Amino acid sequence: QVQLVESGGGVVQPGRSLRLSCAASGFAFSSYGMHWVRQAPGKGLEWVAAIWYDGSNKYYGDSVKGRFTISRDNSKNTLFLQMNSLRAEDTAVYYCARDSSGSGGAFDSWGQGTMVTVSS
Amino acid sequence: QSALTQPASVSGSPGQSITISCTGTSSDVGGHNYVSWYQQHPDKAPKLMIYEVTNRPSGVSNRFSGSKSGNTASLTISGLQAEDEADYYCSSYTSSSTLVFGGGTKLTVL
Repeated sequence: QVQLVESGGGVVQPGRSLRLSCAASGFAFSSYGMHWVRQAPGKGLEWVAAIWYDGSNKYYGDSVKGRFTISRDNSKNTLFLQMNSLRAEDTAVYYCARDSSGSGGAFDSWGQGTMVTVSS
Repeated sequence: QSALTQPASVSGSPGQSITISCTGTSSDVGGHNYVSWYQQHPDKAPKLMIYEVTNRPSGVSNRFSGSKSGNTASLTISGLQAEDEADYYCSSYTSSSTLVFGGGTKLTVL
């Protein structure tokens, strides 16, 4: 069955960096666009970034553009999110999600999420 | 990238129908048919309920339906059940090739 497992979250000081990973299994990872979505404590969902199935195109939300980088390794079925210059407002649960509509945003599978806390 | 506009809360009694609206602009909801709806129970990952405005993934009850008119999409839940109580989010593809979510709607089953 489709499985997405995030890792790499934790507590980090403002201005520092963190790299999240999302290990995929149970499907042809290299055939799907992938996304990161986050949810601050008690708040709604916020789209963070997307990457095409082959990594050729990447898109970012305004709040993370220039600080976060999405990437993937199709040989290892893994999605990444490199987060630099972290701010308190980046504190959230970060989910990776599979896009079943190419890049149209139909997230049919989600990971369990990994918590990132930015605090001094 | 302004968030799509959803009502903060809706409620209904078991067996009734409710509709949640999701209003955007011609650059997102009105300009594409890539509108999705998600259900999220407390401390759980979201679940896809509707995609491409009207389509239901396999396994989702036919009590859930989606529609769109102009810049506003809607999710209708008929025959409300206790387990439908959750937060619901809409999302839309945008003309900038990005995605945007709505602020979320808390559904209470009375």
